Amino acid sequence: EPEVTQTPSHQVTQMGQEVILRCVPISNHLYFYWYRQILGQKVEFLVSFYNNEISEKSEIFDDQFSVERPDGSNFTLKIRSTKLEDSAMYFCASRALSYEQYFGPGTRLTVT
Amino acid sequence: KNEVEQSPQNLTAQEGEFITINCSYSVGISALHWLQQHPGGGIVSLFMLSSGKKKHGRLIATINIQEKHSSLHITASHPRDSAVYICAAQSSGDKLTFGTGTRLAVRP
Repeated sequence: EPEVTQTPSHQVTQMGQEVILRCVPISNHLYFYWYRQILGQKVEFLVSFYNNEISEKSEIFDDQFSVERPDGSNFTLKIRSTKLEDSAMYFCASRALSYEQYFGPGTRLTVT
Repeated sequence: KNEVEQSPQNLTAQEGEFITINCSYSVGISALHWLQQHPGGGIVSLFMLSSGKKKHGRLIATINIQEKHSSLHITASHPRDSAVYICAAQSSGDKLTFGTGTRLAVRP
């Protein structure tokens, strides 16, 4: 069964460094999402992406964040200058025309 | 802004018991999602519904649009059902607003 994959599973970085989280959505899906979950808190929407542009973003998704679909298969989330409060689990999701979203296993980001 | 509330926050059941988890939301939605989060953190979509009722195996999800309320039922619960169950409301557009989750532990 096709699945969404994410790499790396765990990323440790120092405050101020740039990180890129990678996702490979299901191949025929058209809509892509990033969510985050700070430890012990609820999952939060970050951004949705369709037709090579951001369709919606939350107030969390400020200028430090960017998304890209560089090659038609990968979908990346970049954090330009990480802060301690960016430490969280980041989930990628994708969907086809139906609204059902398929989630990746997540990348745990630890900022020290 | 859509507020999504779940109850209970924690639930412990004996194997075989019938379980109900409730979700209420504050504004109109296009769809309601039920998700399962495993202890390792991974999220699996269980149901997406916009009206009525859906069943998959021992899981049943219902939604009452007028009352802005959805329930997830698990029949004949099993220890492998132990997980966090999350409801998420989809308003206009694609954004999901998540509840805080219900942590379920099923004891043998």
